Amino acid sequence: AQSVTQLDSHVSVSEGTPVLLRCNYSSSYSPSLFWYVQHPNKGLQLLLKYTSAATLVKGINGFEAEFKKSETSFHLTKPSAHMSDAAEYFCVVIYASGGSYIPTFGRGTSLIVHP
Amino acid sequence: KAGVTQTPRYLIKTRGQQVTLSCSPISGHRSVSWYQQTPGQGLQFLFEYFSETQRNKGNFPGRFSGRQFSNSRSEMNVSTLELGDSALYLCASSLVSEGLNEQFFGPGTRLTVL
Repeated sequence: AQSVTQLDSHVSVSEGTPVLLRCNYSSSYSPSLFWYVQHPNKGLQLLLKYTSAATLVKGINGFEAEFKKSETSFHLTKPSAHMSDAAEYFCVVIYASGGSYIPTFGRGTSLIVHP
Repeated sequence: KAGVTQTPRYLIKTRGQQVTLSCSPISGHRSVSWYQQTPGQGLQFLFEYFSETQRNKGNFPGRFSGRQFSNSRSEMNVSTLELGDSALYLCASSLVSEGLNEQFFGPGTRLTVL
């Protein structure tokens, strides 16, 4: 069965320090992986996606993620946090089954950025 | 280009009633997906429509249904509402239905069932 686990429900960092949001998936297929961000009272926005072209994926706003097949992980990082990064982040895995594509969302990680 | 719009933004219903939510995708997008977001279950995929046909379906009961019109606008219907249906319902559109395309999300419809 397809599943995705975001290991931290909350991550708290100081502005200017690195950000690490962890995501592990289980899949018997080669997955497509995404990170989305949800700011309060706004719709979800795509940060980046992995589709097997390169293991290190660069996204918007300085975020990047590395696909590690041996660890079944797709952690999201940013070298230096900004106050505007405070939001909810979702790791998403999509598997293909018989021509169908079913997205599975992680439970989300709330990123808190302190001044 | 206008984003994904959802109407209404807020809705209050009572148990047993039915409700219809509407989603207008970005112009040119032919795929519309629906999601339910609750504090307890998180974000869950309901279904996806492409060219007026349901292409993918999540694990929800038959009370949840949808349709898509020729202009790609989509509606979602929930019949015989239960308290547990209280949630934020999100709509997302994309150009095609391949699972790899970026989805653009609307702001959601907040449904409260009393």
